[in-house]
Amino acid sequence: QSVLTQPPSVSGAPGQRVSISCTGSSSNIGAGYDVHWYQLLPGTAPKLLIYGNYNRPSGVPDRFSGSKSGTSASLAITGLQAEDEADYYCQSSDISLSGSVVFGGGTRLTVL
Amino acid sequence: EVRLVESGGGLVKPGGSLRLSCAASGFPFNRYSMNWVRQAPGKGLEWVSSIGTDRSNMFYADSVKGRFTISRDNAKKSLYLQMNNLRVEDTAVYYCATESVWGSSPHFDSWGQGTLVAVSS
Repeated sequence: QSVLTQPPSVSGAPGQRVSISCTGSSSNIGAGYDVHWYQLLPGTAPKLLIYGNYNRPSGVPDRFSGSKSGTSASLAITGLQAEDEADYYCQSSDISLSGSVVFGGGTRLTVL
Repeated sequence: EVRLVESGGGLVKPGGSLRLSCAASGFPFNRYSMNWVRQAPGKGLEWVSSIGTDRSNMFYADSVKGRFTISRDNAKKSLYLQMNNLRVEDTAVYYCATESVWGSSPHFDSWGQGTLVAVSS
């Protein structure tokens, strides 16, 4: 059971908008820790998509956006494309855990 | 271009040991904290360990504490993970990753392709 809760799967048609939630608690997201998002494509290295809740690293399309409110965060993808089909993970810190880094359980995005 | 290349994975029996390496290039290795993150088959990402720039401030997940040791050699631009007393549940792809901090929580900018560790009798 992951400290951060994500839906196991989401789906959308090309061109649509999808959102992936990441729900934490008062010891992690709710404690003010920033949230980051990663994309895992099959057979490739994980890729940082969003850092510090809403910042995009250079090269990440602006179709990807992040937000945070209270004990939750969200990743939104607009203009869905076939190549967006991947696993997405949120990550933050937790005041109660050794080393403090925690990941969500991951969400599989299917482009219909 | 940042490049991280892991090696040292393989098949090992329960109770055995392995030493993973991560060769870094394309960035000032000695200025970055480094981490190991793993992904078990069919499971999500799990943070394993981190080490500060000068080999201080080493941290471990509870699941590996006392069995794994992280280290680095800045002259060789290399990161290591010594894994002892391996368990079946340690089976995973192990990634090395650079760490940056923006705000209140570290994140992982760059990742290697990973090396597979399989623990089985």
